[in-house]
Amino acid sequence: AQSVTQLGSHVSVSEGALVLLRCNYSSSVPPYLFWYVQYPNQGLQLLLKYTTGATLVKGINGFEAEFKKSETSFHLTKPSAHMSDAAEYFCAVSRYTGGGNKLTFGTGTQLKVEL
Amino acid sequence: EPEVTQTPSHQVTQMGQEVILRCVPISNHLYFYWYRQILGQKVEFLVSFYNNEISEKSEIFDDQFSVERPDGSNFTLKIRSTKLEDSAMYFCASSEAGAPLHFGNGTRLTVT
Repeated sequence: AQSVTQLGSHVSVSEGALVLLRCNYSSSVPPYLFWYVQYPNQGLQLLLKYTTGATLVKGINGFEAEFKKSETSFHLTKPSAHMSDAAEYFCAVSRYTGGGNKLTFGTGTQLKVEL
Repeated sequence: EPEVTQTPSHQVTQMGQEVILRCVPISNHLYFYWYRQILGQKVEFLVSFYNNEISEKSEIFDDQFSVERPDGSNFTLKIRSTKLEDSAMYFCASSEAGAPLHFGNGTRLTVT
């Protein structure tokens, strides 16, 4: 079974400050890891993904995440927060089966960006 | 960029009624999914669909739920007899083999 734990259901940062959203996973097989963002009244948009290869992955909007197998973590970071980053962020783990790429989501972290 | 589209954006129904939620996946994708998000809770997997059959389903996806790909473009989720606890945002997604899922904007289902 796979699972994801996101520490902190709400994170608040100042505009221009570092954004750090934490995600730890549990998986019995090498995981695929994802971060999705959900803006109000919208669907889930893929920010970035890790499958294999380079452990530091870069995504859209200046976000990046580092896969650390020893820590079973995949934390999301952005050097400088912008007001437009305010949204809910979901970490997800998946395994590919012959029938698709089933995702298991964390509970989400609501990011608030303050002036 | 191609996207997954869902209709309607909001559906209100009475308890016990049947609802059909509709989705048009990205045209070259072969894998289709439904997820739901009850207000304030995590996004949960319901079902995946490939090669015209269900490939995996969760324990949430009981006999009240069914999925169908009636033609070459649509993918539907039917709830036969809705319950209050079915109120949620339902997300459709599609993907290529082993690739990330692309989600639609969701249908908010309200059961009264």
